[in-house]
Amino acid sequence: EAGVTQFPSHSVIEKGQTVTLRCDPISGHDNLYWYRRVMGKEIKFLLHFVKESKQDESGMPNNRFLAERTGGTYSTLKVQPAELEDSGVYFCASSRMTGGYGYTFGSGTRLTVV
Amino acid sequence: GENVEQHPSTLSVQEGDSAVIKCTYSDSASNYFPWYKQELGKRPQLIIDIRSNVGEKKDQRIAVTLNKTAKHFSLHITETQPEDSAVYFCAASLYIPTFGRGTSLIVHP
Repeated sequence: EAGVTQFPSHSVIEKGQTVTLRCDPISGHDNLYWYRRVMGKEIKFLLHFVKESKQDESGMPNNRFLAERTGGTYSTLKVQPAELEDSGVYFCASSRMTGGYGYTFGSGTRLTVV
Repeated sequence: GENVEQHPSTLSVQEGDSAVIKCTYSDSASNYFPWYKQELGKRPQLIIDIRSNVGEKKDQRIAVTLNKTAKHFSLHITETQPEDSAVYFCAASLYIPTFGRGTSLIVHP
């Protein structure tokens, strides 16, 4: 089966600009997760979709972050306006089940805000 | 919520030595503990996992142990090889996995 696809792989933007990250999960995986890793720190949970519904968005840092999953397929994560502290690697993962089982990660988007 | 601590942050070993990475968790309800390996520029990939009803699991050169009472679990890699060099993440999960900070393992030939 095709894996989880994320793009772009890298993005460098200026503070105040907008960036949209995209994640295409494995077909048939209802669960889609966004995570972020800041250099040297943990992979931190941002939010969880079940199909098109936001099941848990407790990890979203603030209202500059907006995630969508229209139609329950691919998902986008928009950061507007970007701040320096938003820099990091944004990972997407998908799974058939909840509980952490069967996670497949994408390769991540490295976001650098300058 | 869950909190996972992972040590060490960096581990340097000689090829053929063993490597041990340790994690502790705070939520006694967590019942699933996966370990992921991330090679440079690649995606994190599951290498081994353990459920709370098991104390130890082994897969060739890697093994994981779990002490539920003490709330800690460890990854053991024996006979390390240069291709084991990567960042390793532990996680504890009941519903959504909480990850540790990662351990950068360097295996010197």
